[in-house]
Amino acid sequence: SYELTQPPSVSVSPGQTARITCSGDALPKQYAYWYQQKPGQAPVLVIYKDSERPSGIPERFSGSSSGTTVTLTISGVQAEDEADYYCQSADSSGTSWVFGGGTKLTVL
Amino acid sequence: EVQLVESGGGLVQPGGSLRLSCAASGFTFSSYWMSWVRQAPGKGLEWVANIKQDGSEKYYVDSVKGRFTISRDNAKNSLYLQMNSLRAEDTAVYYCASGRHPGEWLIWGQGTMVTVSS
Repeated sequence: SYELTQPPSVSVSPGQTARITCSGDALPKQYAYWYQQKPGQAPVLVIYKDSERPSGIPERFSGSSSGTTVTLTISGVQAEDEADYYCQSADSSGTSWVFGGGTKLTVL
Repeated sequence: EVQLVESGGGLVQPGGSLRLSCAASGFTFSSYWMSWVRQAPGKGLEWVANIKQDGSEKYYVDSVKGRFTISRDNAKNSLYLQMNSLRAEDTAVYYCASGRHPGEWLIWGQGTMVTVSS
């Protein structure tokens, strides 16, 4: 079955830039989405179609894609950005959707 | 206010059945793909099933095929998940989610807990 691979954890100091990667063989063909989840809360979509930002999501969140890897970048990280982040995409057939294992972002 | 509200979770024995519901309000339900996503305690997110706006297309994760059925009633702005032959590994918070495209889940419910245990 199709898999997306993320690092389990990323740590940054406030004001620095956090980059979270996600790798998958079908990413050149399928859009990637990024979700933020804080403890006890439902996920929130922060990036869609690789690099688009939904209304209400701060400009410090951005997404990019290169080959089989997509990257979520958070510029000027704030304490409130501490959360789990999940990438999500479809397999090459576009009939099965998967999440990456999640990355815990710690703001030091 | 745009919202999704799940209901129907609870404790069920292995091999049992449960039907989850998701009530939508504040947006044009019939224009959106709908999905179920689950999260086992302390674990990551797992996509479970998708259904197209008119119900003509349905997709499932392999682990629930043949046991779970997703359906919707656009007249009632409601989404359902019929879960049969439940297993301990189905224990999770089940979220309903919606989006213009499958996978682009902009609206989420608060989740309902399903516990499969004897």
